Amino acid sequence: SAVISQKPSRDICQRGTSLTIQCQVDSQVTMMFWYRQQPGQSLTLIATANQGSEATYESGFVIDKFPISRPNLTFSTLTVSNMSPEDSSIYLCSVERGSTEAFFGQGTRLTVV
Amino acid sequence: AQRVTQPEKLLSVFKGAPVELKCNYSYSGSPELFWYVQYSRQRLQLLLRHISRESIKGFTADLNKGETSFHLKKPFAQEEDSAMYYCALIPFTILYAGGTSYGKLTFGQGTILTVHP
Repeated sequence: SAVISQKPSRDICQRGTSLTIQCQVDSQVTMMFWYRQQPGQSLTLIATANQGSEATYESGFVIDKFPISRPNLTFSTLTVSNMSPEDSSIYLCSVERGSTEAFFGQGTRLTVV
Repeated sequence: AQRVTQPEKLLSVFKGAPVELKCNYSYSGSPELFWYVQYSRQRLQLLLRHISRESIKGFTADLNKGETSFHLKKPFAQEEDSAMYYCALIPFTILYAGGTSYGKLTFGQGTILTVHP
C-alpha cells in the first residue's frame, strides 16, 4: 500500500487568488496523479505528474490554470490559479505503485468565495 | 473517449437483503474495470478489480461485454457496507502503452449505498 498525505485538508479562498496543494507519499513512486471532484460530479483526472518532466494534462485542463510541480519521487504540488467559484471542488492526489491499484490521499476541499 | 455511468445516485437496502450497484461503460476497446469504495471519513480505496476475479467483503462483480456492464453485487448486505461506491475504467491501451498506469482512471458518478438495520 501507500500512505499519502495531502495539505491542506480544506481551505476557503477569495476569488482571484491561488492555492497550492501539497501531496507527500511515504515512498518513491514514478507517477502521481491529480483528480478533481466538483460538487455532485465524478472524479476527473486533471494531470499526471512524472518526476523530472512536465506534467501531462487531460483534455480540458491547462498548465496555466493548474501548474504542477514534481521535484522528487515522493512529493508533488498542484496549484489552482486565479480561482473562481467554479473551482470549488475536492482535489485528490493519487499514486500507483507496484500493484494493480491506485492509492488516494484524503483530499483537499476547496471553497472559493 | 471512454465513459462510465452509474445510474443510481442513491441506493437503500435493509440489512440482509441483496444489493446490486449498477455500472455501465462505453469504450470501443477492451477495458479493465474496478470498483472503488469510500467509507465515511476514510479515503477512497480499491474494493475489487475485474482482472483478479475475486470476491472482497462478499462483493463480486461480473463483466458483461455484451451489455457493457460491471455491476457490483452482494447477496446479504451489512450495515458496514454503507459507503460511496465508484465504478472505474482504464483502457488496456493505457495500461500497456508504456508501463502500468493504474492511476489513470475514468470514474462513474458514484452511488451512495445505505444499509439500514
